[in-house]
Amino acid sequence: GAGVSQSPRYKVTKRGQDVALRCDPISGHVSLYWYRQALGQGPEFLTYFNYEAQQDKSGLPNDRFSAERPEGSISTLTIQRTEQRDSAMYRCASSRYAGDQPQHFGDGTRLSIL
Amino acid sequence: ELKVEQNPLFLSMQEGKNYTIYCNYSTTSDRLYWYRQDPGKSLESLFVLLSNGAVKQEGRLMASLDTKARLSTLHITAAVHDLSATYFCAVDTTQGGSEKLVFGKGTKLTVNP
Repeated sequence: GAGVSQSPRYKVTKRGQDVALRCDPISGHVSLYWYRQALGQGPEFLTYFNYEAQQDKSGLPNDRFSAERPEGSISTLTIQRTEQRDSAMYRCASSRYAGDQPQHFGDGTRLSIL
Repeated sequence: ELKVEQNPLFLSMQEGKNYTIYCNYSTTSDRLYWYRQDPGKSLESLFVLLSNGAVKQEGRLMASLDTKARLSTLHITAAVHDLSATYFCAVDTTQGGSEKLVFGKGTKLTVNP
């Protein structure tokens, strides 16, 4: 596609529910990243994939957060048993490969936990 | 732990004026990126700086990197209103590739007529 596509754009859910956020990277991009951005802050790294392999998940806050990219293209970030502190903008980015390339960001999913 | 500090965090300037935004980081890295973010929008890549002494220019913006001083600058020349946005620098923490980026808090630039 022309750019990184994320869905849904907005998600409102009750505390304790599970949510799944989807990212469709730019066609042909090998590397895919998830970030979380709080209001007035820069993005904070969560996890990163090369093809289908999760290379680094050191930024995931706890074991309620997980991510997958089973076929090396679309990725899903799942948050189980959501808490109010999970409310944030979740951004996905992709790059042609991991190395000397800028990461191209999607428009994000605004997650609100009631 | 890598820390990235930008200053100023807020900048209000008049059209036609020049100014510099600074980005300091705490550990060795030779890959630094500048992004622009408009309100409610995504992040747009501006510059990729990959070596000591790198300088990139695009229109009224010029970015440079001094890896020895662990400092990057984003210089604005003859500002115009369209440059109003938040600017982020981001540093690559890994050897050999763009993986885990650590972002600064951003500099919110307002250019007044």
